[in-house]
Amino acid sequence: QVQLVQSGAEVKEPGASVKVSCKTSGYTFTGYYMHWVRQAPGQGLEWMGRINPHSGGTVYAQKFQGRVTMTRDTSISTAHMELSSLRSDDTAVYYCARDTLPIVVLLDGWFDPWGQGTLLTVSS
Amino acid sequence: DIQMTQSPSSLSASVGDRVTISCRASQGISNYLAWYQQKPGKVPKLLIYAASTLQSGVPSRFSGSGSGTDFTLTISSLQPEDVATYYCQKYNSAPPITFGPGTKVDIK
Repeated sequence: QVQLVQSGAEVKEPGASVKVSCKTSGYTFTGYYMHWVRQAPGQGLEWMGRINPHSGGTVYAQKFQGRVTMTRDTSISTAHMELSSLRSDDTAVYYCARDTLPIVVLLDGWFDPWGQGTLLTVSS
Repeated sequence: DIQMTQSPSSLSASVGDRVTISCRASQGISNYLAWYQQKPGKVPKLLIYAASTLQSGVPSRFSGSGSGTDFTLTISSLQPEDVATYYCQKYNSAPPITFGPGTKVDIK
């Protein structure tokens, strides 16, 4: 079955960077967009962007432009999300989530499944 | 960008009640809408896509309707295990993907 397994919790100081990984299995990694969504404590879901694992092409939410970098390693079917210049309000659970539509359709779809989430705490 | 709103922000209902949650888009999005359920401390779970298509394995008491700008998620008979926050999400109008702010459902 399709599985997304994320890297473990992180604690970072303000100004630092963090890189979260999402290892996939059970499907063709390069066949579906991978999205990143975050959720601050007690808050809603916020889309950060997505990567095309086939081409490496990315689309980022305007809010994160210049601070987020999404990459992939096709040899190990893993997507990465790096966020820089961390602030306290970046404290959140970060999720990877696979798009359901094949990349060949060239459309963004709904998300299923999701990774288990990675808690990032930004604190001095 | 297209904005998504949900109402109410929270509700409390009795077991067996019919519950409806509304989601509105600031511009027409055809039927490009999904609904997710997130139980406390858990990962969001896909319930419905294409506004009204039930995801495999989701109980039939959940249903979705709407098109254009106005959408509804209905729970026909609320169960204790339905306590969760429900989010709508618009997709395929590109980009960004946008989620609604969520509706928290409790048992009275």
